[in-house]
Amino acid sequence: QVQLKESGPGLVKPSQTLSLTCTLSGGSISGGSYYWSWIRQHPGKGLEWIGYIHYNGNIFYNASLKSRLSISIDTSKNQFSLKLTSVTAADTAVYFCARRGFNYGYFDYWGQGTLVTVSS
Amino acid sequence: DIQMTQSPSTLSASVGDRVTITCRASQSISTWLAWYQQKPGKAPKVLIYKASSLESGVPSRFSGSGSGTEFTLTISSLQPDDFATYYCQQYNSYSTFGQGTKVEIK
Repeated sequence: QVQLKESGPGLVKPSQTLSLTCTLSGGSISGGSYYWSWIRQHPGKGLEWIGYIHYNGNIFYNASLKSRLSISIDTSKNQFSLKLTSVTAADTAVYFCARRGFNYGYFDYWGQGTLVTVSS
Repeated sequence: DIQMTQSPSTLSASVGDRVTITCRASQSISTWLAWYQQKPGKAPKVLIYKASSLESGVPSRFSGSGSGTEFTLTISSLQPDDFATYYCQQYNSYSTFGQGTKVEIK
């Protein structure tokens, strides 16, 4: 059974870099045709797509975050990661990792989510 | 960017009611639309994909319809487990979600 789990600091200071990792179990991150995705949800608000990466290196970012965003993949560890630089309180959110099909665009497996608070 | 607008934002209903949620896209997305259910503290769960296809394991009381710019999610007979927030998502161009519709107990 495919499972995704986010990990990383729950508290980040303003202007610093938010770094999260998603670990896949029950499958191979380089097997099959999937985009490995990040999505966030501000407290009490809706969902915002951040970006996704394919193991072949193709990466797609939300244009509103692109200048601060980096997504990478480590096939040897079955993980993919998110780095968001120069964070502010507006980046406080629950961050989810998820799987999106290469040939279908919806997210069929999700991690449980991790709350990241930006505060000094 | 494609914007997705859901209505209503909140819906009060009773067990057994037929419930309909609407999602409108700012431009045509063909049938590249999914619906999700989210409960507090949990990740969203896909219910419907390609506008009208039921995800495996999802009860048949959920159905989706529409194409182009207008879509609906219908719950034919609301059950206690269905009180949650519902989101639409377009995947015609990258990905955008609607702002959500909270279905609460009347």
